[in-house]
Amino acid sequence: DQQVKQNSPSLSVQEGRISILNCDYTNSMFDYFLWYKKYPAEGPTFLISISSIKDKNEDGRFTVFLNKSAKHLSLHIVPSQPGDSAVYFCAASVGRDDKIIFGKGTRLHILP
Amino acid sequence: GAVVSQHPSWVICKSGTSVKIECRSLDFQATTMFWYRQFPKQSLMLMATSNEGSKATYEQGVEKDKFLINHASLTLSTLTVTSAHPEDSSFYICSARLRSSGLYDNEQFFGPGTRLTVL
Repeated sequence: DQQVKQNSPSLSVQEGRISILNCDYTNSMFDYFLWYKKYPAEGPTFLISISSIKDKNEDGRFTVFLNKSAKHLSLHIVPSQPGDSAVYFCAASVGRDDKIIFGKGTRLHILP
Repeated sequence: GAVVSQHPSWVICKSGTSVKIECRSLDFQATTMFWYRQFPKQSLMLMATSNEGSKATYEQGVEKDKFLINHASLTLSTLTVTSAHPEDSSFYICSARLRSSGLYDNEQFFGPGTRLTVL
């Protein structure tokens, strides 16, 4: 049973436009959410996180929105840049010390 | 800061042999290290959690006798794939969590991964 779901395996966005990556979760105990970016043959790198007490967290071009009632979060990247082309993993944990559960990832292609 | 290294980055071995993969936190102490496995076009699957000086906690379905994990110090964890078979071929990634720092709550820093190919 997949607790963190990223239903779009891939997404193509024009350079300069907004990229929106979506993620759903099923475990209502999750209270900490993270987004990671991963290039081929490399380990994931941390992008941004949000705790369940917030509904929005912003860091530069990256904003994460959390809708607890819908068990949904999204990552917005604006404006999208060529270097943003990568696989993005949504992840969640119960408490800050617990293991992190990853979604399957969404491959983002930024088109010139 | 917060760099995690893995060695080797790529290994090819014959079926039946054992392979050891090292994971090091280079500039911080990691109380907890994690080992993940990633199949092509799949999610990162957590295999086990290791805390320094104690036995690793394995996820359901992961054979602890096949995937031996040792976390001997706050900067080093090793994963040994024993009697490797072709189905063990995968991309293995470790991560390390900073020792109680409010700045990086639950943030895991990942190694670059190790590509294992078993012939």
